[in-house]
Amino acid sequence: EVQLVESGGGLVQPGRSLRLSCAASGFTFDDYAMHWVRQAPGKGLEWVSGISWNSGSIGYADSVKGRFTISRDNAKNSLYLQMNSLRAEDMALYYCAKVGRRGYSYGHFDYWGQGTLVTVSS
Amino acid sequence: EIVLTQSPGTLSLSPGERATLSCRASQSVSSSYLAWYQQKPGQAPRLLIYGASSRATGIPDRFSGSGSGTDFTLTISRLEPEDFAVYYCQQYGSSTRTFGQGTKLEIK
Repeated sequence: EVQLVESGGGLVQPGRSLRLSCAASGFTFDDYAMHWVRQAPGKGLEWVSGISWNSGSIGYADSVKGRFTISRDNAKNSLYLQMNSLRAEDMALYYCAKVGRRGYSYGHFDYWGQGTLVTVSS
Repeated sequence: EIVLTQSPGTLSLSPGERATLSCRASQSVSSSYLAWYQQKPGQAPRLLIYGASSRATGIPDRFSGSGSGTDFTLTISRLEPEDFAVYYCQQYGSSTRTFGQGTKLEIK
């Protein structure tokens, strides 16, 4: 059974940093691209960032480019999101999601975690 | 960036009725890389349709997707009580993936 478990969320002051993690199990992690998607309270889904299976292809939404860094450790079956210079508008539930096509960077998201909440407030 | 516009914003229907949800893209979606997700309150999104028309594993056949280019549709043939939720379309054919703003399907 595929499982994605996010962690690392919490309350942080504006301008500070936070690192999110996503622990994956139930599939061959290093075969699949992974993504982060966020959802502000009461709002819709926003794609944040994605990384290919081998970290060779990485992309970011314009809203986080230059502040967030996605990475993965295939030996630990883990995905990360380093978030720097956090702003009030970054406050959201952050989901990690698995791409449904093995070996492809471009794919639908077939499994999602339950999310970790990031609150940005002074 | 490809902007996806979903309509209507809210759709009020009764169980047993047919639901038609629209997703229009600001430019052509590459290779019909268009997906639909369902989200219920307090839950993560669930994949329904990928590649514009392929049902995901375990999705009932009352859900169907169609379209190409810039116009896509999600159809639910006969609404069940558990289908009332928010639905999002997503394009994943460009380097910047984008979601539509969502359609809320509510019980009339």
